[in-house]
Amino acid sequence: DAKTTQPNSMESNEEEPVHLPCNHSTISGTDYIHWYRQLPSQGPEYVIHGLTSNVNNRMASLAIAEDRKSSTLILHRATLRDAAVYYCILRRSQGNLIFGKGTKLSVKP
Amino acid sequence: SAVISQKPSRDICQRGTSLTIQCQVDSQVTMMFWYRQQPGQSLTLIATANQGSEATYESGFVIDKFPISRPNLTFSTLTVSNMSPEDSSIYLCSAGQISPGEAFFGQGTRLTVV
Repeated sequence: DAKTTQPNSMESNEEEPVHLPCNHSTISGTDYIHWYRQLPSQGPEYVIHGLTSNVNNRMASLAIAEDRKSSTLILHRATLRDAAVYYCILRRSQGNLIFGKGTKLSVKP
Repeated sequence: SAVISQKPSRDICQRGTSLTIQCQVDSQVTMMFWYRQQPGQSLTLIATANQGSEATYESGFVIDKFPISRPNLTFSTLTVSNMSPEDSSIYLCSAGQISPGEAFFGQGTRLTVV
């Protein structure tokens, strides 16, 4: 399975942008890059996904490197509610998601 | 979007017994999956629940221990059989469509085996 590598933890200040990096050097041409986050005591929540082009939605932006071997999730203005574990995942063609260890994001007021 | 309901939300069970966890989706979905999350850890995929056929298990998980049913496009069950304390974990159901979009997760079932 294609794997992803993320920093174990990151800190941010409230109302500042946050850039969460992810390396996926073994990505295949058909793998979609997905980001989910998990707040304490909740199931994972979808954030964003993309294949080759950068993507924006109401929650975040996803910047994908031209060679697709890395990507960055961008939260434009972090809030305290964004404190969570963020998972970068390569979605298999069968549809299932293989989770890595994720990045624990802390947001300071 | 889809809303997933899992029952029970939590349970405390005696070792050697079995527990069946139910997952109900409020709309028809192509794909359903079961995950396990041990305390402080990431999610581990147990199996893909296939409608009308046997589930597809990941390495390290077997049907005798984790039998799964999926009778239709909105419902699945996971049974944890012959439980031991090592099975204490959160079990999560996930659902989505075959297209590479959003997957939805239930809130999980917190299982404690004593």
